[in-house]
Parts: sequence; structure tokens; C-alpha cells
Amino acid sequence: QSALTQPASVSGSPGQSITISCTGTSSDFVSYNFVSWYQVHPGKAPKFLIYEVSNRPSGVSNRFSGSKSGNTASLTISGLQAEDEADYYCSSYRSSNNVEFGGGTKVTVL
Amino acid sequence: QVQLVESGGGVVQPGRSLRLSCAVSGFTFSSFGMNWVRQAPGKGLEWVAVISYDGSNEYYGDYVKGRFTISRENSKNTLYLQMTSLRNEDTAVYYCARTRPGSRAYGEFDYWGQGTLVTVSS
Repeated sequence: QSALTQPASVSGSPGQSITISCTGTSSDFVSYNFVSWYQVHPGKAPKFLIYEVSNRPSGVSNRFSGSKSGNTASLTISGLQAEDEADYYCSSYRSSNNVEFGGGTKVTVL
Repeated sequence: QVQLVESGGGVVQPGRSLRLSCAVSGFTFSSFGMNWVRQAPGKGLEWVAVISYDGSNEYYGDYVKGRFTISRENSKNTLYLQMTSLRNEDTAVYYCARTRPGSRAYGEFDYWGQGTLVTVSS
């Protein structure tokens, strides 16, 4: 069982905005701002979307944005497109040199 | 361009060993930390291990600690994962992934391979 909790599924219509939450239970999660987000299409390699809560790597669409408040981090996808249909995972650094992932959220474009 | 290609997966019996490899190209391998991440069928991502750019530091996820060993051969641009005492629950696609340059903490993976499937079954 993941220590980072994500909703199992989120859906939206094309053009809409959706938000995926990632809630942590540890003090590490609240204290550190080392939250990343990944997009996974079935059978494909994961894609790096966000690091340090809200930073986008070069080449990632600005439709993807991240934020964090207290023990909850969020990924927002604006202007939802068909190709955004995928699984999304948050991850966070934990003290003692450990890394944890959320359980993943399936995004459906209606 | 950056490429990571995993190999070595297959079917193995419980209790046996297997070694995975990840051949990289398109960047200076010896300058980057590297990781293994896995995904069991129908499950989420799980971090397995990380190794520093020069191999001097390595850390493991709780479920594999003491059974798996991450290593690298910078002269061959290759990352390895030696897996021993394999269990049914180790069945997964294993990905190698690069640590983001400039990362200040573990858990930021900017390039991933396509993965190699390991099936542990009798």
C-alpha cells in the first residue's frame, strides 16, 4: 500500500481542466518539496512531467502544472486532449534515501 | 538522443537469480546517477534502487533490500541489477531510468528505457 494516496481515476472532456491529487502521510512529504509527476501510456516508457512540485522539464507542455499545499500535491492538466489519456503517478523523496510512488491515477478523456 | 535499453528479463523460478542490464547512449553515462524502477502487472510504479554517478553510493527500496544489488560499469555505459532469492511478487517490468541532472534528491527520473519483463514462476 502506497504512502502516497491518489484517486484511482479522474475524467474530463476535451478542453477542460482536471486536477489529480497526491496526499502524503509522512512528515517528510510535508517538509520536502521533492514531488515529481510521471505520465504512463500502456506499453510505453514513463514520461517525466514535473519535478520539485512545480517545475517542468524542457519540452513538457505548459498544459501540465504542479502545486503543493501541506500534505497534498496536485497535478493540473489544462486544455485536456485525447492524448492525455494515460496513467499518472506522483513520487516523493523520503528521508533515509528512499523514494515512494503514489498508487497511480487513470485519466479518461470523455 | 538519449537511449536506455534494458535486457536480461525472462522467466525464472522462485529462489533463483537473474541479472538485468541497461545499455545507455546519447549522454555521458559516468556523470549521472541511475535507477531501477519496476511495475508489476496491473500495479503501480515502485522504486527499486539508485546508484550514484561513480558507483560509490547505492540505496534500495524496502522490498528488495538485501536481495538485489545495483551496479554500473562506466567504461561500458551499462547499468546492472543483480537479483537473487527471487519471489513471485518480484514479477514486473523493470525499467532503468536516469536521475535528472542537477537533482537535489532521489526520485527524479528524466529518461526511461522501455523496460524488460521478469516473470518469477515455478
